[in-house]
Amino acid sequence: DGGITQSPKYLFRKEGQNVTLSCEQNLNHDAMYWYRQDPGQGLRLIYYSQIVNDFQKGDIAEGYSVSREKKESFPLTVTSAQKNPTAFYLCATQPAGGYNFVNEQFFGPGTRLTVL
Amino acid sequence: KNQVEQSPQSLIILEGKNCTLQCNYTVSPFSNLRWYKQDTGRGPVSLTIMTFSENTKSNGRYTATLDADTKQSSLHITASQLSDSASYICVVRGKTSYDKVIFGPGTSLSVIP
Repeated sequence: DGGITQSPKYLFRKEGQNVTLSCEQNLNHDAMYWYRQDPGQGLRLIYYSQIVNDFQKGDIAEGYSVSREKKESFPLTVTSAQKNPTAFYLCATQPAGGYNFVNEQFFGPGTRLTVL
Repeated sequence: KNQVEQSPQSLIILEGKNCTLQCNYTVSPFSNLRWYKQDTGRGPVSLTIMTFSENTKSNGRYTATLDADTKQSSLHITASQLSDSASYICVVRGKTSYDKVIFGPGTSLSVIP
């Protein structure tokens, strides 16, 4: 977990509500990522950001939104448009993005979101 | 399609025994392969990284191997401990314009006394 904090650890949402998951890092890493983890599946990329004020959609961005106003923060909003949001959400950072890097991705402790 | 497959899906072993986890991938072109350990309810933590030219790398009781020709990797755990109980995830990074990372589904290991 290191210098990455995610909050809350557990989150319950009623259908039709938007919720925001927090991800903060003090590692001074440029790149930040949001993944979704479901049982029996590999992590799937929702959004990523390689620099402040810039972010890109990942493989499953529909129903999610992000912002990157500060280098340290990359919050994820799960909107009511996301039809099956119950999952374990992981935030990750990397010193720098780009291909041909062997940089490790460092993961936060995760947030478990449950829709009631 | 770039994919990463892992086997077995789950494994139960007695404390002190050895085990080997498998990872097959189709990611091409290939940059590197990592093995992560994920404790229940926590984020993954990197165990080893292997690049194209490396065949074996050790980290304590963990030894990873890579055969880039057959696109296979294995993670061998020696003298297992109860604390080894976790999910082990194989992650392959492609050599593309975005540095695409593909995660395997993981192998759930349970070490019992």
